[in-house]
Amino acid sequence: DTGVSQNPRHKITKRGQNVTFRCDPISEHNRLYWYRQTLGQGPEFLTYFQNEAQLEKSRLLSDRFSAERPKGSFSTLEIQRTEQGDSAMYLCASSLEGGSNGAFFGQGTRLTVV
Amino acid sequence: DAKTTQPPSMDCAEGRAANLPCNHSTISGNEYVYWYRQIHSQGPQYIIHGLKNNETNEMASLIITEDRKSSTLILPHATLRDTAVYYCIPRAGSYQLTFGKGTKLSVIP
Repeated sequence: DTGVSQNPRHKITKRGQNVTFRCDPISEHNRLYWYRQTLGQGPEFLTYFQNEAQLEKSRLLSDRFSAERPKGSFSTLEIQRTEQGDSAMYLCASSLEGGSNGAFFGQGTRLTVV
Repeated sequence: DAKTTQPPSMDCAEGRAANLPCNHSTISGNEYVYWYRQIHSQGPQYIIHGLKNNETNEMASLIITEDRKSSTLILPHATLRDTAVYYCIPRAGSYQLTFGKGTKLSVIP
């Protein structure tokens, strides 16, 4: 499978714990995006990398959230001191710079904070 | 990015054409119209995009009005696997996609 891969697919955590998600983009794609989706809503943009540089962060990305893409390949999204409001689907997408076909999304990681 | 209006839900009989409308009256000249869909519990899937001309690919056809204020996504022969939420997204050179609530299409046997 050469698509965008996200791990884990599901995560249940207790409030206050830290969690980390991983995204492996399509190998030749230099752009990587994180989105969050809550029930009944469309995905909302969180942040964007071009290669290893994080070029944009949404105001939705509070100080408890941090994303990295250390070698310009895979990316991680960490949430510290999770809250119940963080429960959502976290989606990763990748694309080629200048590519016209939009972005390709992974299956997402569903986070439940109890 | 331009705002969009899509019907919240639509039904379509299996084997018939599904026509999904989108109003984007504030679209700017350099914004393409992108369509994505999201099948339950999966990530969004790119379908098609266009600027001015009608477009067709193996998944769907996209009809854009001459004034570009609205568009219609056409699935020519809907199957049960086409049941999904369909999003119409105007997008210029920006990297991010701004999703609305989309149209929930139910294909009925």
